[in-house]
Amino acid sequence: QVQLVQSGAEVKRPGSSVKISCKASGDTFGNFAFSWVRQAPGQGLEWMGGIIPLFGTTAYAQKFRGRITITTDDSKTTAYMELSSLRSEDTALYFCTKGIIMPHLLHWGQGTLVSVS
Amino acid sequence: DIQMTQSPSSLSASVGDRVTITCQASQDISNHLNWFQQKPGKAPKLLIYDASSLDTGVPSRFSGSGSGTDFTFTITSLQPEDFATYYCQHYENVPPDVTFGPGTKVDFK
Repeated sequence: QVQLVQSGAEVKRPGSSVKISCKASGDTFGNFAFSWVRQAPGQGLEWMGGIIPLFGTTAYAQKFRGRITITTDDSKTTAYMELSSLRSEDTALYFCTKGIIMPHLLHWGQGTLVSVS
Repeated sequence: DIQMTQSPSSLSASVGDRVTITCQASQDISNHLNWFQQKPGKAPKLLIYDASSLDTGVPSRFSGSGSGTDFTFTITSLQPEDFATYYCQHYENVPPDVTFGPGTKVDFK
């Protein structure tokens, strides 16, 4: 049973950065990928980017390039998403996902609320 | 960039109704189309992948069809637990990219 547990809610000032973690347990062997998806209040879903831990390969949505960094720890079971130069429009619920490749959004974390004000 | 549209944006239905949602891509995306269900305050759940394949454990009342630019998602007999928002999602593998449709909210009539 794959489980993704994300870090807690954050309140940030405009211009600052936030770093959210996502720890995977269960099936974490072999090749897989983490992705990050966000959802602004009352809005739809937006893919931000992802990482293949085995190779360290990352891909970012064009909208976030230059502001986003996705990494994993040495064990490759915890993913991190750092978003810089925060603005009020970045207020959202941020989800991590896990799948066999980056676009494969099979397993989801519980979400981390980031408020920017 | 490929744009995804969904219709309707919302619909009201009753238990037992047949519900159909359409999703259109701005260009040919083959069968690179998934469907998700999201309930308020919860993470989305994958229901259909590759346009028409039911994910493991998903009830058979859910189905998907289509290829190219036009796709359909159907619930044959709406159940109380199906009231939610449904999103189509286009994906590309190389380079990796994901685009969601704007969503369709299904609520009680």
